[in-house]
Amino acid sequence: DAGVTQSPTHLIKTRGQHVTLRCSPISGHKSVSWYQQVLGQGPQFIFQYYEKEERGRGNFPDRFSARQFPNYSSELNVNALLLGDSALYLCASSITGASNQPQHFGDGTRLSIL
Amino acid sequence: AQTVTQSQPEMSVQEAETVTLSCTYDTSENNYYLFWYKQPPSRQMILVIRQEAYKQQNATENRFSVNFQKAAKSFSLKISDSQLGDTAMYFCAFSYSGTYKYIFGTGTRLKVLA
Repeated sequence: DAGVTQSPTHLIKTRGQHVTLRCSPISGHKSVSWYQQVLGQGPQFIFQYYEKEERGRGNFPDRFSARQFPNYSSELNVNALLLGDSALYLCASSITGASNQPQHFGDGTRLSIL
Repeated sequence: AQTVTQSQPEMSVQEAETVTLSCTYDTSENNYYLFWYKQPPSRQMILVIRQEAYKQQNATENRFSVNFQKAAKSFSLKISDSQLGDTAMYFCAFSYSGTYKYIFGTGTRLKVLA
C-alpha cells in the first residue's frame, strides 16, 4: 500500500506570495495532520483534520489555513509568505487521529522563501 | 504546558555497540502516550517504538527498547547492536488523551560509526 504522499517535494517562493501544499493519506486513514519543521528543530503542530473538520490548531497565525476533501486528502495554504516560513512541511495521517494512534508521516515539502 | 526535552543534540556509537538516547517530558496529564520517531537523511519520519503511560512494562521492538520512568518523567531509547542504518535524527514525542497533536523534542542526531 502507498504511504503518505506529499507534493511538491520542493518549492521556492518569494516573500508575500502564497503557497498550497498537498497531502494524500494512507488508504483507510481519515485524519490528516500538518507539522512545520524548521531546520534543527522538532516538528511543530499546525493543524489536524478529521472527516473534513478542523479538530485542532497549533500556535500559527491566520495566514496558515487548511482543508480536507471528501477523499481525505488535504491542502495546507500559507498566505503572505515570510522568510520565517522556510521549513520542511510534514503531513501525517492516522486512522482517526486519536492521541494513542501512531501517525504516519510523508516525506515532506521543503519550502524555501527568498 | 506540555514540554519534551532531548538534552543530547548529537551522539555517536560504534557499529554493534549499544547506545541510549534520553528524553524527559513535563505534563500534569495522567493518560498519555510516548513515541520515538526516526528521521533518516531521506527525511521520512518513521515510528520506532511507542509506550502507553498506563503500562508499567517497557516497550520493546527488536533491537529497540525503552526505559520508561513515569515518576521521573523520563523516556529513554536504547538501541542494541547498532547498525549503520540507524544513523538518523531521533525525535521523542508526547501526546495525551483528548488532544490530537504530538509534541516533539528538538531531536538527537545519532551517527553510527563503522
